[in-house]
Amino acid sequence: DSGVTQTPKHLITATGQRVTLRCSPRSGDLSVYWYQQSLDQGLQFLIQYYNGEERAKGNILERFSAQQFPDLHSELNLSSLELGDSALYFCASSHDRQGAGDTQYFGPGTRLTVL
Amino acid sequence: QQQVKQSPQSLIVQKGGISIINCAYENTAFDYFPWYQQFPGKGPALLIAIRPDVSEKKEGRFTISFNKSAKQFSLHIMDSQPGDSATYFCAASSLSGAGSYQLTFGKGTKLSVIP
Repeated sequence: DSGVTQTPKHLITATGQRVTLRCSPRSGDLSVYWYQQSLDQGLQFLIQYYNGEERAKGNILERFSAQQFPDLHSELNLSSLELGDSALYFCASSHDRQGAGDTQYFGPGTRLTVL
Repeated sequence: QQQVKQSPQSLIVQKGGISIINCAYENTAFDYFPWYQQFPGKGPALLIAIRPDVSEKKEGRFTISFNKSAKQFSLHIMDSQPGDSATYFCAASSLSGAGSYQLTFGKGTKLSVIP
């Protein structure tokens, strides 16, 4: 158990809909990273939040957005869903404090199926 | 552009044998190279990691060999066991100008250890 929690575990929805994925980082970790895992693209970095602020963006679509709340949990919002958005979505957390290292601990993931 | 190339895609090893997975990277700014292990339905779990100031790191049956000049690193699993059957991902990161340690992953290697 990494200490990172994600809900829900599974999500089935239809094209055009909007969903929200939730992540709680390990206690004390300030950074949350979101990754998408699909069969053809592998694990792709989407976005990072550090202590409530967006820090880095990767291959994140404009239809996707995220935020990190004062209690450091994070939500990933996916809208206007398409069939191709079906994937596993992972969040990871780390300290990311100066000189503290950068080990990322992954949650169990949310499996999104768009029908 | 795939910045971390991983091979082989799949690997079958006899119990007790040595499993070897190779990765090559392009970005010379990478300074942290972790390996993650993922079981079906689970999130990636950190297995072992190395920084470029050492050429080898060993933890139990797992060893990372690192060749900075060739921009290559590999994972060796000694005395492979059926419980090691999983997908292994190499990854790399560097501290970006934004202060992010986002990971760039290889495509993964599915290891099967047969009795």
